[in-house]
Amino acid sequence: SQQGEEDPQALSIQEGENATMNCSYKTSINNLQWYRQNSGRGLVHLILIRSNEREKHSGRLRVTLDTSKKSSSLLITASRAADTASYFCATDGRGSTLGRLYFGRGTQLTVWP
Amino acid sequence: SAVISQKPSRDICQRGTSLTIQCQVDSQVTMMFWYRQQPGQSLTLIATANQGSEATYESGFVIDKFPISRPNLTFSTLTVSNLSPEDSSIYLCSVRQGGSGYTFGSGTRLTVV
Repeated sequence: SQQGEEDPQALSIQEGENATMNCSYKTSINNLQWYRQNSGRGLVHLILIRSNEREKHSGRLRVTLDTSKKSSSLLITASRAADTASYFCATDGRGSTLGRLYFGRGTQLTVWP
Repeated sequence: SAVISQKPSRDICQRGTSLTIQCQVDSQVTMMFWYRQQPGQSLTLIATANQGSEATYESGFVIDKFPISRPNLTFSTLTVSNLSPEDSSIYLCSVRQGGSGYTFGSGTRLTVV
């Protein structure tokens, strides 16, 4: 079953603004990952944060993880029109579920020039 | 990171027929994963394909409907059998990249008419 739930479902901003997407999950995780999908094509891995990490940066991306609240956020700074896509969080579980990703419903981000 | 070639990229099929999707990886991987993404929805894991053993299916997915082959460590196929309009989805394969997330194929967009 799916674990992650993102909000908002849709986000519309102007170029240069920051975009923040949130994700909540239900059970223990090994790590949490964020992916981008353009127009229903394949997914591109953006960033992975392990359960013992609280924050991670990659270029214009900043991810936080709060395991006590079972939530994560993805911040895209200085957004560009090319960032327009769907963004999904996915949890990689422990034990028998290790290696099997469970995805949230996604946030559709639109960045206007 | 691994590169996955997924074919076909799209197909339109008649009800009652079957479609076989192929994924070729440019390196040897232990596990390959198959996902379904229904229109406007997130990704749902169908099954995990291991070389030399039967695939492991998630709840709600059965081998008769989604037979999987994994003849070697670089190749896998997913067949969607006895097609109905409800099977219209994007199907994606993926492989794990050590501790760095997963790589996905570009997806197969299936339309059943």
